Amino acid sequence: EAQVTQNPRYLITVTGKKLTVTCSQNMNHEYMSWYRQDPGLGLRQIYYSMNVEVTDKGDVPEGYKVSRKEKRNFPLILESPSPNQTSLYFCASSVLAGDNEQFFGPGTRLTVL
Amino acid sequence: DAKTTQPPSMDCAEGRAANLPCNHSTISGNEYVYWYRQIHSQGPQYIIHGLKNNETNEMASLIITEDRKSSTLILPHATLRDTAVYYCIVYSYNFNKFYFGSGTKLNVKP
Repeated sequence: EAQVTQNPRYLITVTGKKLTVTCSQNMNHEYMSWYRQDPGLGLRQIYYSMNVEVTDKGDVPEGYKVSRKEKRNFPLILESPSPNQTSLYFCASSVLAGDNEQFFGPGTRLTVL
Repeated sequence: DAKTTQPPSMDCAEGRAANLPCNHSTISGNEYVYWYRQIHSQGPQYIIHGLKNNETNEMASLIITEDRKSSTLILPHATLRDTAVYYCIVYSYNFNKFYFGSGTKLNVKP
């Protein structure tokens, strides 16, 4: 089944404890992206990747890192999480950027205490 | 600054057409309009997209005004399962970014 998977789905952590949210897609898509969703703000793009080893900042990249060492995986890294990073996170992928449908993962609900 | 503006909520009777408006007055010539929907807190689901011309698929129709400053998503026969938040999004080729609006909560009522 074609899908985007994220792990973990739920995470409660404490300020400053490094964490990684994994994202994997099995559709051989080149474009991958991370979003965060907060009440009243819709979805905001954190980082995106046009292809392997090519990543760039979205609208809200502060406090996050990403890497794209293989086409299928695009992990989101929070080196020192803070409470303002408490949010619902979505990973998405598409064949190419732009003129294509993005497939979204199920979401990761992160709480930073 | 928000690229798109949508009403926060709308109601629609089951079986009737749902017309969801979106303003994107600052859209550039090579920026696409996308529509997605999100049911509860699930991952958003693609509906349709377009650049200049009106588009139709099995789910919906997208009507883009000639000046491209606004668009309307039409669900021809809304069902209860269409109750969701609908997002109008602008995609910028220049910046390879998707700009989500705040969305419209569509309530389909029996």
